[in-house]
Amino acid sequence: QKEVEQDPGPLSVPEGAIVSLNCTYSNSAFQYFMWYRQYSRKGPELLMYTYSSGNKEDGRFTAQVDKSSKYISLFIRDSQPSDSATYLCAMSATAGGSYIPTFGRGTSLIVHP
Amino acid sequence: GAGVSQTPSNKVTEKGKYVELRCDPISGHTALYWYRQSLGQGPEFLIYFQGTGAADDSGLPNDRFFAVRPEGSVSTLKIQRTERGDSAVYLCASSLRDSLHEQFFGPGTRLTVL
Repeated sequence: QKEVEQDPGPLSVPEGAIVSLNCTYSNSAFQYFMWYRQYSRKGPELLMYTYSSGNKEDGRFTAQVDKSSKYISLFIRDSQPSDSATYLCAMSATAGGSYIPTFGRGTSLIVHP
Repeated sequence: GAGVSQTPSNKVTEKGKYVELRCDPISGHTALYWYRQSLGQGPEFLIYFQGTGAADDSGLPNDRFFAVRPEGSVSTLKIQRTERGDSAVYLCASSLRDSLHEQFFGPGTRLTVL
């Protein structure tokens, strides 16, 4: 079993839909939870991060962390065709201060007009 | 300002050859990471620099892989005796010392070993 599990999709939704992307993990030492967006043939771009549990909102994006269930989510409201990309979750502990993140394999999202 | 840049964007080589991949981080970022990303997978950690020194090289798969950052800015990933299994996108990321979880990625170098 991998430390971070993420369904690869693809997830296809109509424009304007609410999208829910999720990851599960097994390492209880993870404290930082990040979401990256990666367009085809580009590098990942950090969307947002959360420290420990709770919610964080940034525009149309909301990140949720449930450490008791070892489950994190990214919600996208009013999805747009430009949101079509691969979404990677990543997590890191703070042991040693190196913050080496462990990535999920990414979920491919397609938002069709 | 300028983001992380990587050169070349594409590299095709033959099995057994030596390759060098370059990363130019964001100015002022002391932390630099190298990752490898295979098709359909997330980035896999290779090595982390803080300044000039490798703080963590536990992700390097074997001794054919080596990376340097002699002046604490530009970094070079070196792969000796390349194998077909080394084919992947090699990503570089940088961050500030106080925000190590906020990494900024370059576009990657797509390495193909024939």
